[in-house]
Amino acid sequence: GAVVSQHPSRVICKSGTSVKIECRSLDFQATTMFWYRQFPKQSLMLMATSNEGSKATYEQGVEKDKFLINHASLTLSTLTVTSAHPEDSSFYICSARKLEGAYEQYFGPGTRLTVT
Amino acid sequence: GQNIDQPTEMTATEGAIVQINCTYQTSGFNGLFWYQQHAGEAPTFLSYNVLDGLEEKGRFSSFLSRSKGYSYLLLKELQMKDSASYLCAVQDSNYQLIWGAGTKLIIKP
Repeated sequence: GAVVSQHPSRVICKSGTSVKIECRSLDFQATTMFWYRQFPKQSLMLMATSNEGSKATYEQGVEKDKFLINHASLTLSTLTVTSAHPEDSSFYICSARKLEGAYEQYFGPGTRLTVT
Repeated sequence: GQNIDQPTEMTATEGAIVQINCTYQTSGFNGLFWYQQHAGEAPTFLSYNVLDGLEEKGRFSSFLSRSKGYSYLLLKELQMKDSASYLCAVQDSNYQLIWGAGTKLIIKP
């Protein structure tokens, strides 16, 4: 298989604090990982693409200083939401791709972030 | 610009057949995907088409016409558990997925 895990699955934090979300590929090495955000009743919005050992590529309109992405190894990427605000409350989903050009992205189960 | 169009919502009856259409305009083409997403969950992979024609996988089939920029997902023998959103996504020349807004499928008994 190709299993991707995310931790935590749900997190509630206070406004102004930072939250770290982990994305792990459990049984394969992921050269590329993607971070998505999804608001209720809307489709997935790509936030950034990260390749192991290099800086993430952020989509237009996504603040890289607010959403810190670290892809430190071939099996782990982290997304840190810094100084979170209620408008950052969303469903954050990561996905991983095995090889350059390989066609399928394997999705993690998602993290529900609620900022109070 | 890049654009993926699919209907917002469809309703079908348990046991019936439904076809969800997707049209696209993208910068390059490296395959089209269909994903299923239940409410509150991450998407799960259903199918991948890179060549023209029909791919059948059990109750689900997916069709692609690259010249028309068109695909459909066909669901047969609908079950209540098929109620979900179905996302069409195209992989562009940079192997990045461009997502449609999704089609919410409602199955009625």
